[in-house]
Amino acid sequence: VQLVESGGGVVQPGRSQRLSCAASGFTFGSYAMHWVRQAPGKGLEWVAVISYDGNNNYIGESVKGRFAISRDNSKNTLYLQMNSLRYEDTAVYYCARDQGGSAADYFWYFDVWGRGTRVTVSS
Amino acid sequence: QSALTQPASVSGSPGQSITISCTGTSSDIGGYNYVSWFQQHPGKAPRLMIYDVGNRPSGVSHRFSGSKSGNTASLTISGLQAEDEADYYCSSYTSYIRSTLVVFGGGTKLTVL
Repeated sequence: VQLVESGGGVVQPGRSQRLSCAASGFTFGSYAMHWVRQAPGKGLEWVAVISYDGNNNYIGESVKGRFAISRDNSKNTLYLQMNSLRYEDTAVYYCARDQGGSAADYFWYFDVWGRGTRVTVSS
Repeated sequence: QSALTQPASVSGSPGQSITISCTGTSSDIGGYNYVSWFQQHPGKAPRLMIYDVGNRPSGVSHRFSGSKSGNTASLTISGLQAEDEADYYCSSYTSYIRSTLVVFGGGTKLTVL
């Protein structure tokens, strides 16, 4: 069971970046997925969640209107589209699995985490 | 400022027990049993230690236990070991911050003396 994030890097304020999270070792399309971020030296912050089938999603207040979460179950991949990036979006971004699936949309805990990808917003 | 309140640091000697508290409101910890605890070593991804207040995932030591009373959740680690030294975060589902559905505590640094 593994999650591998990619797509991080240095990006200028106001620009866009798309993160990916490749899943392996489990039936990706049966689980809800989250993005969680951690600014340098700071705690964890929940960013977004998407249902197992991609039909529902929720975005955190601090990034709502700028970030979008999506998934491609045929490619076992989760995405985070980040637009209008701000300095305060600088963080390590983790994808994490939720046990939610067809029986119950979300269980609200994260049992598998990726290693994270670092996004630095800098001019 | 984090939505859930944790002590910044706790410490204990090997073999002792420690408890980390996590205080929220009736709209998160007090209203739902969706409380989780995570362990994070420096430079590593978080690891789930407790879910749904007091359940341990497979592979997590029985030395870790969780509980809740009112708006406060607690993580207890018994028989402290050097490898337990890490940052610990609590989380909970929440229904009061508009579109934000999960909140975390600010983290507690555990030092094993």
